[in-house]
Amino acid sequence: AQSVAQPEDQVNVAEGNPLTVKCTYSVSGNPYLFWYVQYPNRGLQFLLKYITGDNLVKGSYGFEAEFNKSQTSFHLKKPSALVSDSALYFCAVRDTWDDYKLSFGAGTTVTVRA
Amino acid sequence: AAGVIQSPRHLIKEKRETATLKCYPIPRHDTVYWYQQGPGQDPQFLISFYEKMQSDKGSIPDRFSAQQFSDYHSELNMSSLELGDSALYFCASSLGAGGQGTKAFFGQGTRLTVV
Repeated sequence: AQSVAQPEDQVNVAEGNPLTVKCTYSVSGNPYLFWYVQYPNRGLQFLLKYITGDNLVKGSYGFEAEFNKSQTSFHLKKPSALVSDSALYFCAVRDTWDDYKLSFGAGTTVTVRA
Repeated sequence: AAGVIQSPRHLIKEKRETATLKCYPIPRHDTVYWYQQGPGQDPQFLISFYEKMQSDKGSIPDRFSAQQFSDYHSELNMSSLELGDSALYFCASSLGAGGQGTKAFFGQGTRLTVV
């Protein structure tokens, strides 16, 4: 079984401040990890993914995420948040044993105030 | 708590056949999103509906169509199936069209195999 937890329903930060969105996962094998963003009235957009290699993954729009195997975490970060980063963020995991199934977290709403 | 229900869970069809996938959103949710996820691939957004009207359109082939009904459930109709349509199709539902604080909840998906 695989699962993803996003412990925070909402994250509020001021523009220019660092942004962190937390994600922890559980898989039976090795994880493939993903972050997606959903803007109002739009479908999911891919931000970044971790498959293997360097634990720090850089993605779209200045976002990055750090894979921590010992803590089973994959937190999303941005050094300096923008108002336009306000959206809904989803963490997802896929077990390498199952090519099909992607399990999503419940989502974290990020609000960046000017 | 009730979740997003998709049916069937598994479906096997032959090439050139048609298939209909159904998605029942969480009660009172008025928005439905459809995604296609091929083996080893990221999910691709297909289409979404808000209050029974199409709200956004992604990479949905012309052979596919979808609608949302008065009870807010949605159906994805797929015709002239091709081998490449084999994928996991999952839907998500939310309350509202996706403003601040709107969360989307995902179904378990329908695994379509075209042979």
